[in-house]
Amino acid sequence: LAKTTQPISMDSYEGQEVNITCSHNNIATNDYITWYQQFPSQGPRFIIQGYKTKVTNEVASLFIPADRKSSTLSLPRVSLSDTAVYYCLVPTTNQGGKLIFGQGTELSVKP
Amino acid sequence: GAGVSQSPSNKVTEKGKDVELRCDPISGHTALYWYRQRLGQGLEFLIYFQGNSAPDKSGLPSDRFSAERTGESVSTLTIQRTQQEDSAVYLCASSGRQGAGELFFGEGSRLTVL
Repeated sequence: LAKTTQPISMDSYEGQEVNITCSHNNIATNDYITWYQQFPSQGPRFIIQGYKTKVTNEVASLFIPADRKSSTLSLPRVSLSDTAVYYCLVPTTNQGGKLIFGQGTELSVKP
Repeated sequence: GAGVSQSPSNKVTEKGKDVELRCDPISGHTALYWYRQRLGQGLEFLIYFQGNSAPDKSGLPSDRFSAERTGESVSTLTIQRTQQEDSAVYLCASSGRQGAGELFFGEGSRLTVL
């Protein structure tokens, strides 16, 4: 079973900031948190990865509280092209490296 | 190559036929994963290879499914006696770090079983 829980869908408008939160209550000490973006008819694409506090790159920011039981992907000023499914992934480190994805969050950005 | 390469990109077959799907991972990546994605669904784990270790086959849905990988190179996913419910996109991903979650995906092989 996946170790993560995310909202199934979210709606937003162009120019808004979007925050998608993922719950991972059973995260292990050595686990990193990774987010992926998937467009229709394409394979998922790595967006960002973090361990604690805050990570920022040219695409997004990732906020991780001190207890690490959740994480929030923040997309600044979304555009129509950000419409995609977003997956939060936490490795199953007690299962030898097998990586199980959750259901993902379908983000719809409207004009 | 620069990324993960999968072939064929599209495959249409008749029920009962066998199919082979190929994945060429990023050079030097020791970990390789296969996932299945049905229309409108999430990614379903199938099998995981790490270096020369025995693969984790726990996600294979039936004994009609098998996969091989030669060393740290190409992998082949074989589906025997295909059924209509096997219709899906089969995605391959590779990683340079075991279990770290940083995966590089191919574009997938879309399988349609008539």
